[in-house]
Amino acid sequence: QKEVEQNSGPLSVPEGAIASLNCTYSDRGSQSFFWYRQYSGKSPELIMFIYSNGDKEDGRFTAQLNKASQYVSLLIRDSQPSDSATYLCAVKVTDKLIFGTGTRLQVFP
Amino acid sequence: GAVVSQHPSWVICKSGTSVKIECRSLDFQATTMFWYRQFPKQSLMLMATSNEGSKATYEQGVEKDKFLINHASLTLSTLTVTSAHPEDSSFYICSASANGYTFGSGTRLTVV
Repeated sequence: QKEVEQNSGPLSVPEGAIASLNCTYSDRGSQSFFWYRQYSGKSPELIMFIYSNGDKEDGRFTAQLNKASQYVSLLIRDSQPSDSATYLCAVKVTDKLIFGTGTRLQVFP
Repeated sequence: GAVVSQHPSWVICKSGTSVKIECRSLDFQATTMFWYRQFPKQSLMLMATSNEGSKATYEQGVEKDKFLINHASLTLSTLTVTSAHPEDSSFYICSASANGYTFGSGTRLTVV
């Protein structure tokens, strides 16, 4: 079993809708979770990170953790075409990040 | 804050030659940096953890003699791909930890 798993997509949503991205992880002891956005040919940009003690909201983005089911989700409200990218979930294991394969999001006008 | 600068952004080299990639933390000190490799349409694969003043820790399956890492100061880590071959062509990205993990802009290596 891979340590971090994501559906590769693409996930297609209309402009203005809510995009919901999910990620499952295998290490039940994981404490820190990260979401990155990566445009084609570019390096990842940090969207937000959360700890095991709660969810987090930042502007249009909300990260939620379900420890019992071992998954992390990222909600993007009011999706824009500029949000079209690959979204990478990462879990901190000791001091390093382990990445999922990423979910490609397409927001169409 | 927390800017990581990576250079060069792209490089083309001949098979058999060596290529050095630099990663600098511009506004913070990074005792630890990480080197990733990303093949097209794949995720980031951690290659090694670079520790200032000590030897790097390589992930399983990564050849330490081929991918030389030097972390001589708190702001600079280098990755040298030695005797590069076409299968080493990839996107190499460094990262450092400062209030979240920040990535450099990446280096696209093409070996011809």
